[in-house]
Amino acid sequence: DFQMTQSPSSLSASVGDRITITCQTSQGIGSYLAWYQQKPGQVPKLLIYGASTLQSGVPPRFSGTGSGTDFTLTITTLLPEDVGTYYCQKYIGAPFTFGPGTKVHIK
Amino acid sequence: QVELVQSGAEVKKPGASVKVSCKASGYTFTTHYIHWVRQAPGEGLEWMGIINPRGGDTNYAQRFRGRVTMTRDTSASTVYMELSGLRSDDTAVYFCAKARSEIHSSFDLWGQGTMVVVSS
Repeated sequence: DFQMTQSPSSLSASVGDRITITCQTSQGIGSYLAWYQQKPGQVPKLLIYGASTLQSGVPPRFSGTGSGTDFTLTITTLLPEDVGTYYCQKYIGAPFTFGPGTKVHIK
Repeated sequence: QVELVQSGAEVKKPGASVKVSCKASGYTFTTHYIHWVRQAPGEGLEWMGIINPRGGDTNYAQRFRGRVTMTRDTSASTVYMELSGLRSDDTAVYFCAKARSEIHSSFDLWGQGTMVVVSS
């Protein structure tokens, strides 16, 4: 069975901090990996696709790296509006599995 | 304006069925696959299945096969997701989401979500 894990499950950081979230898959998926942000009470929003390509309109403080089975999402300078839950997702065919999510809080 | 607009909230009894609609506008309906994703209260995102608006072919997540049916009406630029045999753990927000480009692509546009409550 295909598995996706994310770490940490939650984190608390200060405004201005650099944070990194990791996503690991049980099988290689090339670069078919997306990151989504879901703010409280809102609809998920696509941040990054192709593991590292920023979706139009997404601020450049967000970046993604990785390929194969190991991926990271970095926010270089955390802002209050970045509070929410971040999900990775593989999209190389069904099932289009999401990771369990990482909740980001501000200290 | 490119958007997906979903039908309103539903309250259903256990064992019943629910049918949620998702109307697309602002782009060519038949050129982008549509997915359905659900989110139980306080939980993560769960992919349910995909429909090709052009041909109507579908692929459902294993755990929903036999209970979910996705259809489309090209004349109305609308896709539908029907879930039968509802249980209390089907209580969730159901989202439709548009594939960014071809079938193997991320989801670049989401509907506003439809809350479905299953309760006796």
